[in-house]
Amino acid sequence: NAGVMQNPRHLVRRRGQEARLRCSPMKGHSHVYWYRQLPEEGLKFMVYLQKENIIDESGMPKERFSAEFPKEGPSILRIQQVVRGDSAAYFCASSPLLGTGWYEQYFGPGTRLTVT
Amino acid sequence: DAKTTQPPSMDCAEGRAANLPCNHSTISGNEYVYWYRQIHSQGPQYIIHGLKNNETNEMASLIITEDRKSSTLILPHATLRDTAVYYCIAIRDAGGTSYGKLTFGQGTILTVHP
Repeated sequence: NAGVMQNPRHLVRRRGQEARLRCSPMKGHSHVYWYRQLPEEGLKFMVYLQKENIIDESGMPKERFSAEFPKEGPSILRIQQVVRGDSAAYFCASSPLLGTGWYEQYFGPGTRLTVT
Repeated sequence: DAKTTQPPSMDCAEGRAANLPCNHSTISGNEYVYWYRQIHSQGPQYIIHGLKNNETNEMASLIITEDRKSSTLILPHATLRDTAVYYCIAIRDAGGTSYGKLTFGQGTILTVHP
């Protein structure tokens, strides 16, 4: 059973460009979470999605950031008009059914975004 | 979710048991204690969780005090690969409104020495 997959692993964008980060959850997992880790800081929750639904986006910046988890295909975290402060590691996690499994999240290797 | 307090850093000799403490004195009856770790530059890894009974799996043991105000994660035979940041998180059960959102604190940096 393959783990959570994220691509690309490293992404370099110039200021003003768009960044698209992809996450494929583990097989059988229907809950996807995105977290961000700024340099020298802790992990911060961004958004929680189920298929075709955003359940909790309380950690998402109000502008330029969006996330989706379509019926088919990976979850996408999109950052428009990137700025230097968006440089960070972005981790995706997935979990199985509800209950305590909700919190047994399996994390991908992360995408390291560098904005130049 | 209850606040947790962990020492910022700990050292352990390779092959010895690593005992990582966590204080959660305001934990409520329906809050679980979860442990994760993050090895440098990697995604966090789930280790173990418990409510009030001690738990053991292939990675570690979790000892929760009877009053549930603190817990200890035990890595029985630490190796160099166990060097990581360890996070203790108190989470209300699935009936809460946190929808699986994990809130990571500063954690404990465990360094395992040869």
